Amino acid sequence: GENVEQHPSTLSVQEGDSAVIKCTYSDSASNYFPWYKQELGKRPQLIIDIRSNVGEKKDQRIAVTLNKTAKHFSLHITETQPEDSAVYFCAASMYSGGGADGLTFGKGTHLIIQP
Amino acid sequence: DGGITQSPKYLFRKEGQNVTLSCEQNLNHDAMYWYRQDPGQGLRLIYYSQIVNDFQKGDIAEGYSVSREKKESFPLTVTSAQKNPTAFYLCASSVRRSTDTQYFGPGTRLTVL
Repeated sequence: GENVEQHPSTLSVQEGDSAVIKCTYSDSASNYFPWYKQELGKRPQLIIDIRSNVGEKKDQRIAVTLNKTAKHFSLHITETQPEDSAVYFCAASMYSGGGADGLTFGKGTHLIIQP
Repeated sequence: DGGITQSPKYLFRKEGQNVTLSCEQNLNHDAMYWYRQDPGQGLRLIYYSQIVNDFQKGDIAEGYSVSREKKESFPLTVTSAQKNPTAFYLCASSVRRSTDTQYFGPGTRLTVL
């Protein structure tokens, strides 16, 4: 089955600086890669996703890049703000025509924005 | 994601008891999922359902059971066979596939006394 590795487990950056979180996956057939943000005790919220036919996607201060050859994808947050402090999870899934079979998640990165 | 509800928010179970966690959605989604989250860990898939009256085991199904009698509902039962059930349980749904955006419910925190 799919295995997703996420690094680093904790990331501390100064407010206004950029943050980068990296994930690798094992199954070359995976074709959907979402990123979720989770605040303490709350539900995960989708912040951005990318599909295998695209190399990069941006949404304001957030961007995701995908390298299918190397089987890794990254989340980039620019101009970080205090409200960006949370745990971020990457995930991977594959649609093979059989329908839904769930996401495989990384273990998460605790992002701390220092004032 | 406001269309997915879970109850109760907190649940306490004595050892040897079965408990059922509720998950309801009004998003008209075909697919529903149950994930387990332990402290400092990512989410792990317990069960998923693509359509009414059909469901499949995920990565950690042992000690759990589900039913999907209605499109809107996907309850999870934590049985006494689950040796370490204390965790945060999250239900999710998507339009049809796992490659469609998954929306999560607010979660149920289960504690075994």
